[in-house]
Amino acid sequence: AQSVAQPEDQVNVAEGNPLTVKCTYSVSGNPYLFWYVQYPNRGLQFLLKYITGDNLVKGSYGFEAEFNKSQTSFHLKKPSALVSDSALYFCAVRTGGFKTIFGAGTRLFVKA
Amino acid sequence: GAGVSQSPSNKVTEKGKDVELRCDPISGHTALYWYRQRLGQGLEFLIYFQGNSAPDKSGLPSDRFSAERTGESVSTLTIQRTQQEDSAVYLCASSLFELAGGYNEQFFGPGTRLTVL
Repeated sequence: AQSVAQPEDQVNVAEGNPLTVKCTYSVSGNPYLFWYVQYPNRGLQFLLKYITGDNLVKGSYGFEAEFNKSQTSFHLKKPSALVSDSALYFCAVRTGGFKTIFGAGTRLFVKA
Repeated sequence: GAGVSQSPSNKVTEKGKDVELRCDPISGHTALYWYRQRLGQGLEFLIYFQGNSAPDKSGLPSDRFSAERTGESVSTLTIQRTQQEDSAVYLCASSLFELAGGYNEQFFGPGTRLTVL
């Protein structure tokens, strides 16, 4: 069965420091991987996706993610966190079919 | 407005009543998804539509849940005989046409917060 794990319920980081939000997946076949962000009182927004090609993908707001096939991971990163990055982040995976499997979410707190 | 819209934004109902939630996808988006998000949890897939193809209903939790979509337009999610455990935010998303296992990102609406008393 397909699954996505976000092992951290919450990540705390100081403004200006690098941030990492972790995601691992378990699928059969080649995965399509996504990151979405949910700001307070707003809908989910697409950040970035990995389909094929370069393992490092860049997305909105300075975020990037690295696909690691051997570790079945797709961690979200940003070199320098902003207070405005504080939000709920979801990793998602698709492989075959139309269903998208979302992780439980990781809440990011960036402290000034 | 070019985004996905949902109505109502909030719905409070009594246990046992039926509710209908509406989603207007982005124009030109043939794919439409419904998800449920319980408090503090991730998104739970409910149903998927694409054009006139048969919908993927595999995520509907019980026969009290149903959804309709006419062509590539509005969709309604109906919950009959609501229960307290149905309380959640119901999210709708749309995307461009895609084949099975597609890779298009989804565009989400703001959600409908359903509270069943």
